[in-house]
Amino acid sequence: EAGVVQSPRYKIIEKKQPVAFWCNPISGHNTLYWYRQNLGQGPELLIRYENEEAVDDSQLPKDRFSAERLKGVDSTLKIQPAELGDSAVYLCASSSILMTGESYEQYFGPGTRLTVT
Amino acid sequence: AQTVTQSQPEMSVQEAETVTLSCTYDTSESDYYLFWYKQPPSRQMILVIRQEAYKQQNATENRFSVNFQKAAKSFSLKISDSQLGDAAMYFCAYTEYGNKLVFGAGTILRVKS
Repeated sequence: EAGVVQSPRYKIIEKKQPVAFWCNPISGHNTLYWYRQNLGQGPELLIRYENEEAVDDSQLPKDRFSAERLKGVDSTLKIQPAELGDSAVYLCASSSILMTGESYEQYFGPGTRLTVT
Repeated sequence: AQTVTQSQPEMSVQEAETVTLSCTYDTSESDYYLFWYKQPPSRQMILVIRQEAYKQQNATENRFSVNFQKAAKSFSLKISDSQLGDAAMYFCAYTEYGNKLVFGAGTILRVKS
């Protein structure tokens, strides 16, 4: 079974530039999560999708961040414009209660390391 | 809001020895799930072990086991027969029914040969 795929793995941009991250969840997983992990800290949720609906975006800085999950499969997270403080690792995860039962296990991708200069 | 605390920023263990990583959490819920994730330098977050709060029995997965104390809100991870490949950052995490995972700050585990 293929895991969660993310691209790019690394991205270096100058501040005020836009950037986008892409995630392809495990096939059949209806729940998709975007987390941000600052250096030396645990990940924090930015947004959670159930199929194509964003059901929790309370921690998403909506002035500069946007996300979409068209057709309830792939997802894109965008930052425009990027700030120095956005440097972090952006992790995508997916899960499915139908496939993993009530374990609520989330499967993570390898993440995108963003550096804003 | 739920919080997860890992009080050990860094731990070291000799190869083949046993080490215990600590985790405490705060919640007013009675039903929830706890996890330990491992994150090596490759950044891939890997599930090590899970515990359902309604289960009295402590979870075990090969060399990994937990000590779940629900009343004390404590969830420690024991790694037996430590191997060089166990070296990584370990995160304790909490969730309620597939909502967001709430992570602790992590513990860096170093394994000495």
